[in-house]
Amino acid sequence: DAKTTQPPSMDCAEGRAANLPCNHSTISGNEYVYWYRQIHSQGPQYIIHGLKNNETNEMASLIITEDRKSSTLILPHATLRDTAVYYCIAIGSARQLTFGSGTQLTVLP
Amino acid sequence: GAVVSQHPSWVICKSGTSVKIECRSLDFQATTMFWYRQFPKQSLMLMATSNEGSKATYEQGVEKDKFLINHASLTLSTLTVTSAHPEDSSFYICSAHDRGEETQYFGPGTRLLVL
Repeated sequence: DAKTTQPPSMDCAEGRAANLPCNHSTISGNEYVYWYRQIHSQGPQYIIHGLKNNETNEMASLIITEDRKSSTLILPHATLRDTAVYYCIAIGSARQLTFGSGTQLTVLP
Repeated sequence: GAVVSQHPSWVICKSGTSVKIECRSLDFQATTMFWYRQFPKQSLMLMATSNEGSKATYEQGVEKDKFLINHASLTLSTLTVTSAHPEDSSFYICSAHDRGEETQYFGPGTRLLVL
């Protein structure tokens, strides 16, 4: 699976959009981009995934660049409960998730 | 989304005892489940892949005789930490995906403390 790179931490004001970037420059054509988040002392929570088209669900939007070398997770209206570590993972057919360090998002009141 | 449960949510045991952790897919059938371990302030590390009806596949450095995995049904996988020692104290998390789907769903985790 392709390696991903994320900033270690970000802050966001409550009510504002949180934009979390991820670089995956070595991603291959059959690898999906998945986003999970982990709130302290809980198991990871699935957020969204995509292959090459932008995706949106009730939690977030995923914007993937045309060359697929990077993506951005957007939480449109961040709340305090969105404070968590966010993981961007590229996964292929092996289905094994390799977790990096992720981005610690802190939503500030 | 699909729901995965774990039991117990936390356990404290004496050194030398064995501890069993259950992982269940509640509303779907999972041919494959995964077991992770997470130490404080670290990311999740894959320990093993559990396949229904066959032997688990362990990651390099994970002792298969110490961490026994059984995946006897499409909805249940168990991880037994045998002869637990204080260094086995960690947060153990399982995940599973529905047949035909790519997305993995995680359980809430089990916190193990070995005294």
